[in-house]
Amino acid sequence: DAGITQSPRHKVTETGTPVTLRCHQTENHRYMYWYRQDPGHGLRLIHYSYGVKDTDKGEVSDGYSVSRSKTEDFLLTLESATSSQTSVYFCAISEERTALSGNTIYFGEGSWLTVV
Amino acid sequence: DQQVKQNSPSLSVQEGRISILNCDYTNSMFDYFLWYKKYPAEGPTFLISISSIKDKNEDGRFTVFLNKSAKHLSLHIVPSQPGDSAVYFCAARYNFNKFYFGSGTKLNVKP
Repeated sequence: DAGITQSPRHKVTETGTPVTLRCHQTENHRYMYWYRQDPGHGLRLIHYSYGVKDTDKGEVSDGYSVSRSKTEDFLLTLESATSSQTSVYFCAISEERTALSGNTIYFGEGSWLTVV
Repeated sequence: DQQVKQNSPSLSVQEGRISILNCDYTNSMFDYFLWYKKYPAEGPTFLISISSIKDKNEDGRFTVFLNKSAKHLSLHIVPSQPGDSAVYFCAARYNFNKFYFGSGTKLNVKP
């Protein structure tokens, strides 16, 4: 199993409060990602990082921010949580590849967030 | 707009028969495709992949087929086993390290 740890694994929070999810990897992979999984939508990319302090938006980035101050840690912050952000959040990592060489994206076990 | 689509939310198959899961994509710049399997309350796990320069890749009971002209890929599981019951996601890679996923197909293999 890829060394990916997500915390917290479960959280219930109130609307309007800030929430931070943490992803820690021990693989020294360059790329890190945050996805959310929702019924009917599958896995949607929120933000990703291609190096320390280098991040970019994904498909559903509104309402989320990220930070990566160390290779091993990637934080996802909901500045002011809303009920629409109730979801399962997955962190993922991948190695750098070029051209047509394959690479695999590895997932953490998920963080269940409920916004009430 | 989703660039990777799985149009069948669920599939039910008898044990021992073939399971065929389908996936369509719209972006011709995708260069690598993957299938993942997900059990409840767990993270997705990698199953099999295929490069865009190939049309078939096989690994044991699992085979992935790619039809670039149709922008379509499929996963064949033969023979299907009850332990294969899970949600299957297809994924496509863009620009070497950005991955887009479909909405998933829930496979139920009946004993």
